[in-house]
Amino acid sequence: KNQVEQSPQSLIILEGKNCTLQCNYTVSPFSNLRWYKQDTGRGPVSLTIMTFSENTKSNGRYTATLDADTKQSSLHITASQLSDSASYICVVSAGDYKLSFGAGTTVTVRA
Amino acid sequence: GAVVSQHPSRVICKSGTSVKIECRSLDFQATTMFWYRQFPKKSLMLMATSNEGSKATYEQGVEKDKFLINHASLTLSTLTVTSAHPEDSSFYICSAPSAGRFFGPGTRLTVL
Repeated sequence: KNQVEQSPQSLIILEGKNCTLQCNYTVSPFSNLRWYKQDTGRGPVSLTIMTFSENTKSNGRYTATLDADTKQSSLHITASQLSDSASYICVVSAGDYKLSFGAGTTVTVRA
Repeated sequence: GAVVSQHPSRVICKSGTSVKIECRSLDFQATTMFWYRQFPKKSLMLMATSNEGSKATYEQGVEKDKFLINHASLTLSTLTVTSAHPEDSSFYICSAPSAGRFFGPGTRLTVL
C-alpha cells in the first residue's frame, strides 16, 4: 500500500528561526515528490518537485531534499516569516496520475 | 503561468439542494482533471477523475450518483453535489495535470 507519512504533525517556531519537516514514503514505483504549501481555506500551492535523480531543490527560503534510497524527504524553511504559517504537504507520485498525500505538517510562526 | 480556478470559492446551501462547483484550467487544456475532498486538518482525498469526452472514474466509496462530474470541455470540469446533506460539508479542490500539478483554490461547501 502506498503511504506517505509526515512528521511532526505540527510545530511552532519563532519568527526568524529555521525548521525542518520530514516525509517518509513507501510509494512504488516512484516518479516524483512534491512539497506543497496550503494556507487555511486555500488550495495547495507547489513549492518544489523532485525526481529520482534529484537530491535537493530550492525555492527561495524553502529547500527540499530527497533520498530515494531511504525513501525520505525533508523540507527546510530558513529564516521563517509569519506568512510561512500554513500546512505543508508532501505528495508522492507513482507516475500514473495517482498521487499519495501525506497528512501534512502544520507550521505556526509566532512573532 | 498555468493556473486552475474554481467557482464559487464558498457556498452555503440547505439540505436536499444541489450545488455545482466549476473547475477551469487557464492557459492550458486538460483532458483529465481530479476532484478531491478535504476535511479539517486532514489530507486531500481523491474522489474522482474527470475525463473529457468520457465518463468520470470514481474512487471506491464515492457515490457517482451523488457526486456528478461533467467534463464539458478541455478547460472545464464541474462537480455537482446532489441532494446535499450536512455530512457533505467539506472543502472541495480540483486539480489538473501539468508540469506543476496545479490545484485550484478550493470551494468551501457548507450544508445546513
